[in-house]
Amino acid sequence: SQTIHQWPATLVQPVGSPLSLECTVEGTSNPNLYWYRQAAGRGLQLLFYSVGIGQISSEVPQNLSASRPQDRQFILSSKKLLLSDSGFYLCAWKGSGNIQYFGAGTRLSVL
Amino acid sequence: AQSVAQPEDQVNVAEGNPLTVKCTYSVSGNPYLFWYVQYPNRGLQFLLKYITGDNLVKGSYGFEAEFNKSQTSFHLKKPSALVSDSALYFCAVRALNTGGFKTIFGAGTRLFVKA
Repeated sequence: SQTIHQWPATLVQPVGSPLSLECTVEGTSNPNLYWYRQAAGRGLQLLFYSVGIGQISSEVPQNLSASRPQDRQFILSSKKLLLSDSGFYLCAWKGSGNIQYFGAGTRLSVL
Repeated sequence: AQSVAQPEDQVNVAEGNPLTVKCTYSVSGNPYLFWYVQYPNRGLQFLLKYITGDNLVKGSYGFEAEFNKSQTSFHLKKPSALVSDSALYFCAVRALNTGGFKTIFGAGTRLFVKA
């Protein structure tokens, strides 16, 4: 069966520090992968999606970047975090029937 | 532009009573519609979807949703609410957008079920 892993679960980082969040999917190949940010426990903002290795589409201009170095690995990064980068980050993959399956999320606090 | 709206920030219901969480959408063409649930500090979980066929769709945990094309709605329902149903619920629509098909999520509705 397919599983999705996200880590770390929580992260506290100072302003100006770098960021690397990792997401991996098991049990499927060449999935569409997504990074979302959820602010204040409400709506989802799509940040990036990827349809294959090295293929990244950015939905909104921001302080973040994404990479897909392997088929089932999706990384969210920043060179210098801002206070406004705080939030709950969710990774997801698209399965059959266009259903998205989400990881458990990473809560990022930038102080 | 494609959009999905959840008009209620919060829905309160007593345990054992029926619940409805509202969703309306605006898309060109035939939409794929979804409901997801999110428990605190967790990712979203798929509940049910409508692609085509019967307007009443049944999903996980006793939830169902009714597709109404004339009202462009896809309300989530459950005949008898449980305290454990308290969570954040998201409606989503997958439709053709600039750049291809995309899934758009509503802002979410927080459901409180009181014992």
